Amino acid sequence: DTEVTQTPKHLVMGMTNKKSLKCEQHMGHRAMYWYKQKAKKPPELMFVYSYEKLSINESVPSRFSPECPNSSLLNLHLHALQPEDSALYLCASRGISSYNEQFFGPGTRLTVL
Amino acid sequence: DAKTTQPNSMESNEEEPVHLPCNHSTISGTDYIHWYRQLPSQGPEYVIHGLTSNVNNRMASLAIAEDRKSSTLILHRATLRDAAVYYCILRDGTRGQNFVFGPGTRLSVLP
Repeated sequence: DTEVTQTPKHLVMGMTNKKSLKCEQHMGHRAMYWYKQKAKKPPELMFVYSYEKLSINESVPSRFSPECPNSSLLNLHLHALQPEDSALYLCASRGISSYNEQFFGPGTRLTVL
Repeated sequence: DAKTTQPNSMESNEEEPVHLPCNHSTISGTDYIHWYRQLPSQGPEYVIHGLTSNVNNRMASLAIAEDRKSSTLILHRATLRDAAVYYCILRDGTRGQNFVFGPGTRLSVLP
């Protein structure tokens, strides 16, 4: 299984809502990533987890809260988002060797009203 | 982090070869050159990577200049399915840096 799955595919939420994005992989990868991608722009790194521990937070606002409950799962909890947070949120995973490729999921298209 | 520059867009005819260039004049000796592509409405996918020697796989070939300051991704026979944004990314293999995506090249394939 060489797939990264993300749910939901689409999400519409109001600025006062709390929601979560979910990412799952069963490739035994111990590095997992969240990226944000605005329309017609490249992906921007948000968070990196290595061995289920947060290793990088690219100065992301606290309204985005990542969680890695086990080696296969990665969540992104959303609270009090702004309309400018509307974007495609991509999850990726990678084997821990430096030379391994990243596998990306299809993303969750988030719209904040 | 070393930077890459790529043309904003390129066009190719179906079934013809495509050469996508990438300049990386500040590349360091331990930087690997990675190529990813992003098809419409999908996440990026790995294409190929290399360090010094040219590389071939089932998807593409990677030609790396002798001084490593530039590289070229070669699609031998473009298909309509190859229409995507192609990203050239440098990553230091010893320091475990993360991928930093540049703007990439948007490839259009004409039937």
